[in-house]
Amino acid sequence: QVQLVESGGGVVQPGRSLRLSCTASGFTFRNYGMHWVRQAPGKGLEWVAVIWHDGNNKYYVDSVKGRFTISRDNSKNTLDLQMNSLRAEDTAVYYCARGIAADGYRFDYWGQGTLVTVSS
Amino acid sequence: QSVLTQPPSVSGAPGQRVTISCTGTTSNIGAPYDVHWYQQLPGTAPKLLIYGNSNRPSGVPDRFSGSKSGTSASLAITGLQPEDEADYYCQSYDRSLSGSVFGGGTKLTVI
Repeated sequence: QVQLVESGGGVVQPGRSLRLSCTASGFTFRNYGMHWVRQAPGKGLEWVAVIWHDGNNKYYVDSVKGRFTISRDNSKNTLDLQMNSLRAEDTAVYYCARGIAADGYRFDYWGQGTLVTVSS
Repeated sequence: QSVLTQPPSVSGAPGQRVTISCTGTTSNIGAPYDVHWYQQLPGTAPKLLIYGNSNRPSGVPDRFSGSKSGTSASLAITGLQPEDEADYYCQSYDRSLSGSVFGGGTKLTVI
């Protein structure tokens, strides 16, 4: 069965960095685009970034461009999100999600999420 | 301010029917890109509920249905059950933003 397990969350000071990881299993990882979606406490969902199946294309929401970098290792079935220059407004649960590309994207499997708290 | 607009809350009694609207623009729903719906039970990750405007993944009861017209979409839930109490999100793609967008979410209360 498809499983996505995030790790790497924690408490970090503003301006510092954090790296999240997502380990995938139960499907052919290299065939799918992968996404990060976040949810601030008590708020709605916000799409953060996508990386295509082959890693050749990456797109980000405007609020994280230049600060976050999405990457993947298809040999290890892992997805990463390097987050630099963190701000209080980046505080959220971060989910990795498998994307199905068809007239845009849909997210058919989600991890359980990892909480990132940016606070001094 | 979310790109897609949903009502913050809806409610209904067990057995009743409720609908949740999702309004976008010609840059997303009206482009036309597909609309997808997610159910988020308290304390859990979102789950895909409806995809491609009106399709149900395997295992989703036929009490849940979706539709789309122009720049709007709707999720209908018939025969409301207490376990349907959750947050519901619509999602599409926005060509101006070159990324996926969500509605602000609708909290369904089964009274």
